[in-house]
Amino acid sequence: QVQLQQSGPGLVKPSQTLSLTCAISGDSVSTNSAGWNWIRQSPSRGLEWLGRTYYRSKWYSDYAVSVRGRITINADTSRNQFSLHLNSVTPEDTAVYYCGRRDHGKGYLDYWGQGTLVTVSS
Amino acid sequence: QSVLTQPPSVSAAPGQKVTISCSGGSSDIGRHYVSWYQQFPGTAPKLLIYDNDKRPSGIPDRFSGSKSGTSATLGITGLQTGDEADYYCGTWDGSQTVVLFGGGTKLTVL
Repeated sequence: QVQLQQSGPGLVKPSQTLSLTCAISGDSVSTNSAGWNWIRQSPSRGLEWLGRTYYRSKWYSDYAVSVRGRITINADTSRNQFSLHLNSVTPEDTAVYYCGRRDHGKGYLDYWGQGTLVTVSS
Repeated sequence: QSVLTQPPSVSAAPGQKVTISCSGGSSDIGRHYVSWYQQFPGTAPKLLIYDNDKRPSGIPDRFSGSKSGTSATLGITGLQTGDEADYYCGTWDGSQTVVLFGGGTKLTVL
């Protein structure tokens, strides 16, 4: 059974960087059969896919247009986890952030982290 | 604004059946499989239906999914008060990279 455990601060100041980590158990971040995603949810934007990282002989990342240029998702194989970094945040980035697993070639997320409410405020 | 359109709310009595629609376009639902998620307040979405009509292990057969053209439908029979939740549809965009979600439907079991 795959489990995803999120960690990171719940309060970030405007213009700073939002950083969250998702620790994986029951699977490997380096698997060739899945990708590791970040999604956020807010009343104004609903559920919004932010991006993913995955390993296919080398590491790849894809990002949503809405956050491209501000986002980095990377993996730490030694700790079997992956991270989200979103810089230059504004109050519009206030949301519940989720990590999730998506099987390769599939459009759905079968495992989700517990969610982290991140508030952007001074 | 969500790319996939769902009704904001539906309601039905216990024991009855309800359907939730999800409307998209030719480049998303019209081309790819649809999934459905159930979300209770304060918790993460949970996969309910994948590949249009398949249920993950542990999901009762009261929950069903179907797709026709650029629309999909989630059906729930034998409604229980414990089914009160938000339901979201999902699919891919044309590039098979971005996961798209509907705006969500709040189910009330009267």
